[in-house]
Amino acid sequence: NAGVTQTPKFQVLKTGQSMTLQCAQDMNHEYMSWYRQDPGMGLRLIHYSVGAGITDQGEVPNGYNVSRSTTEDFPLRLLSAAPSQTSVYFCASSSTGGYSNQPQHFGDGTRLSIL
Amino acid sequence: SQQGEEDPQALSIQEGENATMNCSYKTSINNLQWYRQNSGRGLVHLILIRSNEREKHSGRLRVTLDTSKKSSSLLITASRAADTASYFCATDEGKAAGNKLTFGGGTRVLVKP
Repeated sequence: NAGVTQTPKFQVLKTGQSMTLQCAQDMNHEYMSWYRQDPGMGLRLIHYSVGAGITDQGEVPNGYNVSRSTTEDFPLRLLSAAPSQTSVYFCASSSTGGYSNQPQHFGDGTRLSIL
Repeated sequence: SQQGEEDPQALSIQEGENATMNCSYKTSINNLQWYRQNSGRGLVHLILIRSNEREKHSGRLRVTLDTSKKSSSLLITASRAADTASYFCATDEGKAAGNKLTFGGGTRVLVKP
């Protein structure tokens, strides 16, 4: 059971480039989310999804897009990378959309540097 | 904005000692969760305490919740070197807020052998 898998683990981009961070889970979880972690800031929610075809914005959504075409996958797209998006990105999933007080399962993160 | 604020930001103890860290939050919550993060890894769920619970135990972990003071504490007893990690509290404000988790800035714990 792989849990939550994020790819790539590391990525360096130039300002203005676009890319997609991949996230896949094999636990049939309905709820998936993306966070970014900056030093001293804890984790901040970017986007989340309560099920296939449904997405919503979190605390810091600007500059990012998401889609949820399947239960398993929840990719995060950077449209035009900026140095302020240098961060560690975590994907998480939980069952039943969080309505049953379920804990979240995290991937190991993608470390992204924008030059 | 961060809902949970943790105190202290860093903690250094000897193996075998207890470690206590606190989390304060601002709004009403559905539940509060504690997570551990080892260096370079993702977060791992430790314990969840619901708003109608006051104390919960899991192995060497003890969590308390005081909703009147909007605060929670995590106690790790008889610490081990393997407990060295960052610990985060996260609040779930319930269905009205989309059941999203809001994380604090974390407490870095160093357990010296």
